[in-house]
Amino acid sequence: DAGVTQSPTHLIKTRGQQVTLRCSPKSGHDTVSWYQQALGQGPQFIFQYYEEEERQRGNFPDRFSGHQFPNYSSELNVNALLLGDSALYLCASSLGSNVLTFGAGSRLTVL
Amino acid sequence: GEDVEQSLFLSVREGDSSVINCTYTDSSSTYLYWYKQEPGAGLQLLTYIFSNMDMKQDQRLTVLLNKKDKHLSLRIADTQTGDSAIYFCADDTGTASKLTFGTGTRLQVTL
Repeated sequence: DAGVTQSPTHLIKTRGQQVTLRCSPKSGHDTVSWYQQALGQGPQFIFQYYEEEERQRGNFPDRFSGHQFPNYSSELNVNALLLGDSALYLCASSLGSNVLTFGAGSRLTVL
Repeated sequence: GEDVEQSLFLSVREGDSSVINCTYTDSSSTYLYWYKQEPGAGLQLLTYIFSNMDMKQDQRLTVLLNKKDKHLSLRIADTQTGDSAIYFCADDTGTASKLTFGTGTRLQVTL
């Protein structure tokens, strides 16, 4: 079982650019959640996707958007990048409301 | 809003017990979780406890929950150097899969 896989593992962008991060959920899972973990902080909930729709959203601006595909995989898009968007972005999958399984994350550096 | 607090750092000798504490503010939590994060890695679920339980034991791990005081603790028996990591407590704030994390406790195990 591959677990939750995320890509890319590391990337560097400049301010104002756009980024897309990808996540494949654990086999059998249908729900994907995204979290942002700034350096030295705990993860913060961005949003959750189920049945290809955003089901819940945390306190993040509209620059953060996402998508879930019919195969349950998901993308996180961030537009107009700011220096403060530099963080580890974690994807977590679950079967409905059950316990989350996290991926290793995508580390984004904004210069 | 919901808040989860943890002490930042704990140092223990190998073979001793470690106790990591956490306080939370939300009274609607259904489950409370402990996650482990090693350097450069994602989050590994260690254990979780249902909010109407007082205690849960899982091999070297013991979770104690005082719901009245909104206090959660994780005890690691016979702590090993491989236990060195950051430990996060999280609560689901009554909303499945949307977790609120603490800032993490860095556990250092010395020989």
